Amino acid sequence: DTEVTQTPKHLVMGMTNKKSLKCEQHMGHRAMYWYKQKAKKPPELMFVYSYEKLSINESVPSRFSPECPNSSLLNLHLHALQPEDSALYLCASSEQSLNTEAFFGQGTRLTVV
Amino acid sequence: AQSVTQLDSQVPVFEEAPVELRCNYSSSVSVYLFWYVQYPNQGLQLLLKYLSGSTLVKGINGFEAEFNKSQTSFHLRKPSVHISDTAEYFCAVTPNTGFQKLVFGTGTRLLVSP
Repeated sequence: DTEVTQTPKHLVMGMTNKKSLKCEQHMGHRAMYWYKQKAKKPPELMFVYSYEKLSINESVPSRFSPECPNSSLLNLHLHALQPEDSALYLCASSEQSLNTEAFFGQGTRLTVV
Repeated sequence: AQSVTQLDSQVPVFEEAPVELRCNYSSSVSVYLFWYVQYPNQGLQLLLKYLSGSTLVKGINGFEAEFNKSQTSFHLRKPSVHISDTAEYFCAVTPNTGFQKLVFGTGTRLLVSP
């Protein structure tokens, strides 16, 4: 199984809502990532988790709150977002010890209204 | 820090013609290099990667790329494209140690027409 599964595929939320994005992988990877991709732009790294610990936060606003409850799951909690946060949010995973290849999910298309 | 330049934002080509998508990178440390493809409303799929060894790398769907260290380039090629190759192609680099922190180029839209 070389799949990274993201849910939901689409999400529309108001600026006062609280929602969560979910990501799951069963490849035994110990590093997981969140990327944000605005329309017509390349993906940009947001967070890196290694062995369920937050290792890198690329100066992401606190309205985005990541969580890694176990080695297979990665969540992104959203609160008080702005319309400019509308984007495709991509989850990825990779083997920790071999900095080789990241497997990406299909993404969650988020629209903030 | 690393940076990636994809000078061609769009490359139109006829079906069955060859194509080359250009990628140049800059880094103060050794890197791994990747090409990813993204179809509309989809995630990223790895086409190929260069980690070490032979500078000519073969990937999926008939694509190949050549790593040129002196020119800091990693151009993607395909000898004969299909309509189904129409997509966005991203070149990316990451340091070859530590966590994978992919830095992507701005992407090249490959448009294959009949």
